[in-house]
Amino acid sequence: DAKTTQPPSMDCAEGRAANLPCNHSTISGNEYVYWYRQIHSQGPQYIIHGLKNNETNEMASLIITEDRKSSTLILPHATLRDTAVYYCIVRVAYSGYALNFGKGTSLLVTP
Amino acid sequence: GAGVSQSPSNKVTEKGKDVELRCDPISGHTALYWYRQRLGQGLEFLIYFQGNSAPDKSGLPSDRFSAERTGESVSTLTIQRTQQEDSAVYLCASRLGQGHGYTFGSGTRLTVV
Repeated sequence: DAKTTQPPSMDCAEGRAANLPCNHSTISGNEYVYWYRQIHSQGPQYIIHGLKNNETNEMASLIITEDRKSSTLILPHATLRDTAVYYCIVRVAYSGYALNFGKGTSLLVTP
Repeated sequence: GAGVSQSPSNKVTEKGKDVELRCDPISGHTALYWYRQRLGQGLEFLIYFQGNSAPDKSGLPSDRFSAERTGESVSTLTIQRTQQEDSAVYLCASRLGQGHGYTFGSGTRLTVV
């Protein structure tokens, strides 16, 4: 799996957009970008994933650069409940191997 | 069930005792994973089950750790002769198949005293 780099922590004001970056410069053509988050004392939660096109669902948007070497997870209107550790993971979609979770980005949403 | 269920939610055990942790995956999910998360750390992969195939045990830290799963049902993670460094939250995840997202349980918090 390609290695990812995320900032260790970020702050965001409630109601504003939270933009979480992820670098994955060694990504290969068949690897997807997955985002998970872990709210304190809960199990990780799947957010979104994509290959090369931008993706949007009810939780977030995923913007992937044209060269696919980086991506941004966007929470359009952050709430206090979005405070969590966000993990960016790159891997082949059709693979049984376990996800490798790094340290992620600790997002703090402030009132 | 609607989600991945793990039991017990909390377990305190004395050093040297054996413990058994249980995971009920979402019905129909063929893949099941166990992870460990120590305080303030990321998730460590332990073991992976896919249907009736031989499990991927490459993440198990020692031979004191073992896990079983019968078919696509319940899985148990057993830790023998527990040590203080085994204290962690043990998380179970299942998914419908390759290409689908993972659903995690709330974990079992194990404390070895």
